[in-house]
Amino acid sequence: AQKITQTQPGMFVQEKEAVTLDCTYDTSDPSYGLFWYKQPSSGEMIFLIYQGSYDQQNATEGRYSLNFQKARKSANLVISASQLGDSAMYFCAMREPDSGGGADGLTFGKGTHLIIQP
Amino acid sequence: EPEVTQTPSHQVTQMGQEVILRCVPISNHLYFYWYRQILGQKVEFLVSFYNNEISEKSEIFDDQFSVERPDGSNFTLKIRSTKLEDSAMYFCATRTSGIRGTQYFGPGTRLLVL
Repeated sequence: AQKITQTQPGMFVQEKEAVTLDCTYDTSDPSYGLFWYKQPSSGEMIFLIYQGSYDQQNATEGRYSLNFQKARKSANLVISASQLGDSAMYFCAMREPDSGGGADGLTFGKGTHLIIQP
Repeated sequence: EPEVTQTPSHQVTQMGQEVILRCVPISNHLYFYWYRQILGQKVEFLVSFYNNEISEKSEIFDDQFSVERPDGSNFTLKIRSTKLEDSAMYFCATRTSGIRGTQYFGPGTRLLVL
């Protein structure tokens, strides 16, 4: 079974609209961390936002917020007021356990290719 | 803002040759990782490294791969005898200690094996 599932291979969104990128995850570990990374066409991986499984509040970082629904095992990324520069691949990733030890390689989803149209 | 750097940015090699990919971590980071991304596919974890030893490795990280931090600054990934299927983007990532430490990625090395 996939640990991280991103069901939207591609999305087209009008500039200035909000966009939600879906991510569901599968783990039996009570301690885990969820991450979103952006990969523009230039190829680098840019960290966007982190949510710990024990966090009471949904994470926010500027225009990015994470809609964390623990019971549904979903961690959707919301980008408010999208900009042309938001066009990129977006990857959801999980770290389990989220304990701070060294054995914490991230497991990534297949990504969503977001294209912002003017 | 400090960042992870990687060299070279691109490398072309012949099948069977050895390659060494280099990473300079952010200075106060203690945990180091290598990932790879085959073109058009998802990012895959290879290995994590802490306190001069491997903490965890994936099934991909077989005997042809090795990692070390030879001089206390560079963190290297060696592929002993490259195969065609090793062609990919290789990312180094590093993080600070602590349970909420985020992994910051370098720009990647694009490896092409011919």
